[in-house]
Amino acid sequence: SQTIHQWPATLVQPVGSPLSLECTVEGTSNPNLYWYRQAAGRGLQLLFYSVGIGQISSEVPQNLSASRPQDRQFILSSKKLLLSDSGFYLCAWSPGQGLLGYTFGSGTRLTVV
Amino acid sequence: DAKTTQPPSMDCAEGRAANLPCNHSTISGNEYVYWYRQIHSQGPQYIIHGLKNNETNEMASLIITEDRKSSTLILPHATLRDTAVYYCIVRSGTGTASKLTFGTGTRLQVTL
Repeated sequence: SQTIHQWPATLVQPVGSPLSLECTVEGTSNPNLYWYRQAAGRGLQLLFYSVGIGQISSEVPQNLSASRPQDRQFILSSKKLLLSDSGFYLCAWSPGQGLLGYTFGSGTRLTVV
Repeated sequence: DAKTTQPPSMDCAEGRAANLPCNHSTISGNEYVYWYRQIHSQGPQYIIHGLKNNETNEMASLIITEDRKSSTLILPHATLRDTAVYYCIVRSGTGTASKLTFGTGTRLQVTL
């Protein structure tokens, strides 16, 4: 069966520090991968999605970047965090083809102080 | 993808059926209706999806009107654990990266 792992669960980082959040998927190949962010009390905002290794599409211009170095690995990064980067970050995957929905990871709660 | 409209909040007594409406009047012929829910501080969870016909699974039933301009998610016997934000999403089933765009959803509060 397929599983998605996301870590860390919580993170407190100072303003100006770098960020690296990792997401991995097991039990499938060629998944579509997604990063979402949810600010406190707000809806989910799609940040990046990827249909293959090295293929990244950005939905919203921001202080963040994403990379997909391996088929089932998706990384969210920042060189210098801003206070506004605080939020709940969720990784998700969906099959490359077909009608199945998304499966989300358990999320990372990032607080920038 | 077509836009959806949901009430911001609803209450339901435990044990009763919860009926969550969604309007998607601009839906096109190849777009599916998906429902997800997000329990506080967790990732969204897939519930059900459909195209034209009504669908049922172990979690819920999805009723789609004949003109497909609206749908209703039914939780037949709501429990306190069903308290969550419920998202109705319309998206095309074609393409290799069909992005899910989440709106603000309906916050369902199940009470004793």
